Amino acid sequence: DTEVTQTPKHLVMGMTNKKSLKCEQHMGHRAMYWYKQKAKKPPELMFVYSYEKLSINESVPSRFSPECPNSSLLNLHLHALQPEDSALYLCASSQDPGKNYGYTFGSGTRLTVV
Amino acid sequence: GENVEQHPSTLSVQEGDSAVIKCTYSDSASNYFPWYKQELGKRPQLIIDIRSNVGEKKDQRIAVTLNKTAKHFSLHITETQPEDSAVYFCAASGPNTGNQFYFGTGTSLTVIP
Repeated sequence: DTEVTQTPKHLVMGMTNKKSLKCEQHMGHRAMYWYKQKAKKPPELMFVYSYEKLSINESVPSRFSPECPNSSLLNLHLHALQPEDSALYLCASSQDPGKNYGYTFGSGTRLTVV
Repeated sequence: GENVEQHPSTLSVQEGDSAVIKCTYSDSASNYFPWYKQELGKRPQLIIDIRSNVGEKKDQRIAVTLNKTAKHFSLHITETQPEDSAVYFCAASGPNTGNQFYFGTGTSLTVIP
């Protein structure tokens, strides 16, 4: 399995809703990432997990809460989002947090906040 | 921190011509430079990468060159085809960035049949 799987593919939520995005990989990668991407812009790093521990939080608002239950799973819990949070949310993984390897990106979750 | 600039932001070429996209970076310690292709509505996909101990790398119609002294690297696509149309992102990473990627702003490439 050489893929990163994200669910759901599309999500529409109200500003008072609570929802979760899920990401799964079975490549044995020990670094996992959440990125946010607006249309025609580069991906922006949100969170990095290295060996299941949060290692980087790029000053993301607390309405986004990451979780890494095990080495294969990464969740992003969403609560009280704003319309400007509408974007494509990409999960990625890489082989070794201590070394430079290319990321494998998931297909993303297209989030719309209404 | 690292700062990656990418040019041009849009590029149109005739099918069969070559396309060149250029990126510069600021941190001389950066040592890994991947290129990603993102088709409309799809995930970014790694198409080629280069490490700082190499000056050039080729994979069929795609090549990347790196000039460490000038701190710039370029993507070259030869014999372009309509399916090459996409947004291309360069990135840089290294020990000073915690091996996290800093992406360029992207180049929207259109190959005209």
